[in-house]
Amino acid sequence: DAGVIQSPRHEVTEMGQEVTLRCKPISGHNSLFWYRQTMMRGLELLIYFNNNVPIDDSGMPEDRFSAKMPNASFSTLKIQPSEPRDSAVYFCASSGRGPGETQYFGPGTRLLVL
Amino acid sequence: GQSLEQPSEVTAVEGAIVQINCTYQTSGFYGLSWYQQHDGGAPTFLSYNALDGLEETGRFSSFLSRSDSYGYLLLQELQMKDSASYFCAVRGFDTGFQKLVFGTGTRLLVSP
Repeated sequence: DAGVIQSPRHEVTEMGQEVTLRCKPISGHNSLFWYRQTMMRGLELLIYFNNNVPIDDSGMPEDRFSAKMPNASFSTLKIQPSEPRDSAVYFCASSGRGPGETQYFGPGTRLLVL
Repeated sequence: GQSLEQPSEVTAVEGAIVQINCTYQTSGFYGLSWYQQHDGGAPTFLSYNALDGLEETGRFSSFLSRSDSYGYLLLQELQMKDSASYFCAVRGFDTGFQKLVFGTGTRLLVSP
C-alpha cells in the first residue's frame, strides 16, 4: 500500500493568501485525522472524520481553518486567510475504526507563511 | 481534559537500555500508545497498551499500569538509529476512543 499521501510537501506563501492542503488516506481506512505540529504546541489534533463525516473539530483554531472530506479517498484542510502563526507542519493520518486501531501518518506538509 | 507528562530529553549510549516514562490524567481511559518520530519525519506507531502489563515487540517493550495512570517505553540494545523523539498518547472516554492526545515528546539521543 502507498500509505497516506499528502500534498504539497512544502508550501511557502505570503500572509493573507489561501492555503489548501490535501490528503489521500490509506485505502479501506474510514477515519481521517488532521494534526498540526509546532515546537511551542507540540502535536495537536485539529479535526477528525469517520466515514467522511466530521466528528470532532474542537481543535480547529478559528474560522480561518476549514476541512472537508468529500469522499473516502480525499480530504482538504484550508486556511483562509493565512497568517505567520499558522506556520507549522500539518500531518494527515488515517486508521480503521476500532478502539485500538493504529493511526498511520502521512509525511506532512511543511507550511511557512511569510 | 487530559494531560500527559514525559521527560523532555534522555541520553544514552549504544547498546544500553533506556526507559521513557509517561504519566497521564484523563477522564476514563481506553489505552496508551507510543509513537516514534525522527527529525523531519512523521510519527510512526510503536505500540499500544489497553490492559495492564508488558507488551514486547523486538527490542521495544511498553508497559502500562492503569491503577497508577502510568506507562513506559523500554528500548533495549540501543542503536544510533533510535535517536528520535518518542511520544506517548492517550485515548480517553471524554474524547471518544479514536481521538489521541499526545504528550510533548521525549527526545532520545544515542551516542556511540
